[in-house]
Amino acid sequence: GQQLNQSPQSMFIQEGEDVSMNCTSSSIFNTWLWYKQDPGEGPVLLIALYKAGELTSNGRLTAQFGITRKDSFLNISASIPSDVGIYFCAGGGGNQFYFGTGTSLTVIP
Amino acid sequence: DTGVSQDPRHKITKRGQNVTFRCDPISEHNRLYWYRQTLGQGPEFLTYFQNEAQLEKSRLLSDRFSAERPKGSFSTLEIQRTEQGDSAMYLCASSLALDTQYFGPGTRLTVL
Repeated sequence: GQQLNQSPQSMFIQEGEDVSMNCTSSSIFNTWLWYKQDPGEGPVLLIALYKAGELTSNGRLTAQFGITRKDSFLNISASIPSDVGIYFCAGGGGNQFYFGTGTSLTVIP
Repeated sequence: DTGVSQDPRHKITKRGQNVTFRCDPISEHNRLYWYRQTLGQGPEFLTYFQNEAQLEKSRLLSDRFSAERPKGSFSTLEIQRTEQGDSAMYLCASSLALDTQYFGPGTRLTVL
């Protein structure tokens, strides 16, 4: 199945720093979703995007639906230790979502 | 808790055995998805139900895999004659429309 390109693959940052990650695809999507997954658990939905150019925030998280509809971005401001985890993007079209390869985030207190 | 639930959370089995997993979606959700996730990868789509109808299946879903959703509520995923390559996290998700998906906690399968 198709997997989206997500970068960076991993990040090690100091607490309080801002984080940016992105997701790109060769296909156009109608929906972009961002999830966070902790070890041994299922992904938890963070933000959903439905229109090209849309910018949506959820607390310290902000995500954007790229104008080309082939990419999306997630920013986390003022990171805290509980932001640690793996972040996945998912592009939706047809009857399914295609997931990125994940960005592993480590926050150093 | 009104989220998606999955049972069991962990399953260890010997190669060649059959296993069955259950997913209970959020109660009003008519769409149900199964995914497989291996270490270091994102979830990969296996199959999709709308109500009781199985509308799409991935090529990843070999003949040894079968999924059902008999009354349009809970779903089961069965793997027959398990192989070591089947070891993975099996995730279930549900939604009302194709605008989002809510995941369960997953079933971790280990095939010895």
